[in-house]
Amino acid sequence: AQRVTQPEKLLSVFKGAPVELKCNYSYSGSPELFWYVQYSRQRLQLLLRHISRESIKGFTADLNKGETSFHLKKPFAQEEDSAMYYCALSDTGFQKLVFGTGTRLLVSP
Amino acid sequence: GAGVSQSPSNKVTEKGKDVELRCDPISGHTALYWYRQSLGQGLEFLIYFQGNSAPDKSGLPSDRFSAERTGGSVSTLTIQRTQQEDSAVYLCASSFRGRAIETQYFGPGTRLLVL
Repeated sequence: AQRVTQPEKLLSVFKGAPVELKCNYSYSGSPELFWYVQYSRQRLQLLLRHISRESIKGFTADLNKGETSFHLKKPFAQEEDSAMYYCALSDTGFQKLVFGTGTRLLVSP
Repeated sequence: GAGVSQSPSNKVTEKGKDVELRCDPISGHTALYWYRQSLGQGLEFLIYFQGNSAPDKSGLPSDRFSAERTGGSVSTLTIQRTQQEDSAVYLCASSFRGRAIETQYFGPGTRLLVL
């Protein structure tokens, strides 16, 4: 069965510190991996996807098939990064997203 | 253009009553999804519509839940005989053609409270 695990419910860092939000998945095929973000009082929105190999707002995520991980990283956290982050996967054959339980990132000044 | 819209934004109902939640997807998007966001549970897939194909109902938790999509656009999620465990935020999303790599655009959600 498809499963996404985000082991940290809360990650608290100081401004300027590096950030790594962990995401592990279980899936036998070749999933598409995403990070979605929900800022306070805003709707859930896409942050980045692995297939695009992009950096958005300074965040990057590398798909490691050997470790079945898709950790989200940023070298220097900003206060405006404070939000709820969800890792998700989508099967190439099924369009629904399977989400992790989310990690709340809190960046303090 | 306008994003995905949902109504109502909040709904309080009594246990046993039926509720209807509405979703207006982005114009031109053929794929529409319903998810449920429960406290501490993350987001849970409920149902998926793609064009004129039969919907994927594999995520509906019980037969009290149903959804329809009229004219390939607006969708209504109906919960019959609501229970307290149905309390959650119900999110609707749409995407252009429903491919796995596409971005799903989410609505603001309907917060349902069953007393």
